[in-house]
Amino acid sequence: QSALTQPASVSGSPGQSITISCTGTSSDVGSYNLVSWYQQHPGKVPKVMIYEVNKRPSGVSNRFSGSKSGNTASLTISGLQAEDEADYYCFSYAGRSILLFGGGTKLTVL
Amino acid sequence: QVQLVESGGGLVKPGGSLRLSCAASGLTFSDYYMSWIRQAPGKGLEWVSYIIISGSTTYYADSVKGRFTISRDNAKNSLYLQMNSLRAEDTAVYYCAAMATIPLLWYFDLWGRGTLVTVSS
Repeated sequence: QSALTQPASVSGSPGQSITISCTGTSSDVGSYNLVSWYQQHPGKVPKVMIYEVNKRPSGVSNRFSGSKSGNTASLTISGLQAEDEADYYCFSYAGRSILLFGGGTKLTVL
Repeated sequence: QVQLVESGGGLVKPGGSLRLSCAASGLTFSDYYMSWIRQAPGKGLEWVSYIIISGSTTYYADSVKGRFTISRDNAKNSLYLQMNSLRAEDTAVYYCAAMATIPLLWYFDLWGRGTLVTVSS
């Protein structure tokens, strides 16, 4: 199984919205609504921002939202803030024996 | 306070072995599937292995299959990773992470701070 495909980098200005894509296959993202997204600031531990494609854990800002269409999941951050600058990783269940991360996307807030 | 604390990392020569531990506190350990996830320097996250609650079933990424063994001791609230035949490409920060199972939604809601494993001669 290959890692899920994410763009290496995205950028946006404060207040804008950005979307990060996560492309898999019909065996992983396309088959299960079990995509999650993690935010990782430099030198810090990853933090879950979205689970089950579009659910937010308690305490996560509603500026973060998730969606899925076919084999591609997406994370959208609206009202971009400087503190959102971080690396973002998607993750998908792909069957009992296979768990997959995306390659990661570096978000730069201009 | 809920926390996962890894230990056991360090410098090891290629072909050598190392055993990582993860101590859980503040949570009902037996409610969680447990996993090891690693991150090579400057690289992305890579799932390594996970173990179900009873410890009877384990799964591994192809990159470590046959070399690494995950185990847990629910009585000690602890997770382990025995790493054998280590290679330079195993150099990474190793995170212990937990997946709640009530319900089981296949995401990592708890992470440790990680322990660095360096494989070098």
